Amino acid sequence: QVSLVQSGAEVKTPGSSVKVSCKSSGGSFSTYAINWVRQAPGQGLEWMGRTVPIFAAPIYAQKFQGRVTITADKSTSTVYMELRSLKSDDTALYFCARGLGGNGYYYSYMAVWGEGTPVTVSS
Amino acid sequence: DIQMTQSPSSVSGSVGDRVTITCRASQGFSGSLAWYQQKPGKAPNLLIFGASSLQSGVPSRFTGSESGTDFTLTISNLQPEDVATYYCQQANSFPLTFGGGTKVEMK
Repeated sequence: QVSLVQSGAEVKTPGSSVKVSCKSSGGSFSTYAINWVRQAPGQGLEWMGRTVPIFAAPIYAQKFQGRVTITADKSTSTVYMELRSLKSDDTALYFCARGLGGNGYYYSYMAVWGEGTPVTVSS
Repeated sequence: DIQMTQSPSSVSGSVGDRVTITCRASQGFSGSLAWYQQKPGKAPNLLIFGASSLQSGVPSRFTGSESGTDFTLTISNLQPEDVATYYCQQANSFPLTFGGGTKVEMK
């Protein structure tokens, strides 16, 4: 049984950075995509980017390009998402989500989700 | 970017009803679509991938279909546990994009 465990809630000030972790257990790590999706309070879902650890070539949504970095540590089966230059509208619940399967067709279908990490940006 | 326009924004039904949710894509593509169910305070749950393939463990009353740029999620025989918000997501091109969501409620 694959599970994703995320780091705890964060409170940040505008202009700072946050780094959220997502630890995978119970299954293969390197060949499965890990996507990052966020959800502002009362709003819908927004995809930020993803990585496939074996390729180490993350893909980012243009909206976040230059502000987000997704990295993977294969030794601990953990993926990190760092978001910089935080603004108040970055306040959201940040999810990591694992692709359905270990090949390209399945990377974008998100079958296993973490519990979400609340990030609050406030002065 | 591909915009996914989801309708209706909310729908209500009685136990046993059939409920239909539609997503229209701003650009044409075939098959690369997922549907998710999200209950309050929880992460989304994958229901359908590849437009019509049922994810393992999902009840068979959930079905997906496509016609041109329109994708449909049908819940047959609506159950109280189906109360949730449903999202479509295109998997055709980056950035991956979601519909705005449809809230399903019981009458």
